Amino acid sequence: NAGVTQTPKFQVLKTGQSMTLQCAQDMNHNSMYWYRQDPGMGLRLIYYSASEGTTDKGEVPNGYNVSRLNKREFSLRLESAAPSQTSVYFCASSRQGEDGYTFGSGTRLTVV
Amino acid sequence: QKEVEQDPGPLSVPEGAIVSLNCTYSNSAFQYFMWYRQYSRKGPELLMYTYSSGNKEDGRFTAQVDKSSKYISLFIRDSQPSDSATYLCAMSAAGNEKLTFGTGTRLTIIP
Repeated sequence: NAGVTQTPKFQVLKTGQSMTLQCAQDMNHNSMYWYRQDPGMGLRLIYYSASEGTTDKGEVPNGYNVSRLNKREFSLRLESAAPSQTSVYFCASSRQGEDGYTFGSGTRLTVV
Repeated sequence: QKEVEQDPGPLSVPEGAIVSLNCTYSNSAFQYFMWYRQYSRKGPELLMYTYSSGNKEDGRFTAQVDKSSKYISLFIRDSQPSDSATYLCAMSAAGNEKLTFGTGTRLTIIP
């Protein structure tokens, strides 16, 4: 089983460019999440989707948008990338949040 | 004050030692407690899962929850170099779709 698959694994953007990070899970999970991880800051929730058709803001949503395309896929879009968005981005999924998450392997994004 | 506090380390111990990793929390509604292990340049993976208070053992790993003190621990016995990773605690209240994470403790086991 693939679990949670994130693409791309690495990306370098110029300031002002846009891009979409893709995430797909094959575990029939209801909830999906996008986090960023920065040194000394831990995991910070950007957006989450508790079920197909719903999305909610997390702790650091500014500069990001999300789309829950269907039950399997949850994408994260940066409309106009900024150097402050340089980070490692993780997608995760769960049947219910309290069951714990399965994480993807991450996308390393550098904005120059 | 953060809802979950975790000493960031780094923590270095010799191979074979017993390791103790800890988190404190302030939200008395938390009932589900987890430990994740994250190897360098990888995603976190669920290591231990505990509901409410008590101990849970899995091989060399023991998770302990003390709800009265709002304190959770992860013990690693006979530590191995392969245990070198960042360990994150996480917790949730019932019915909450979101986990609250600690910032992680970086652990190095020295051969």
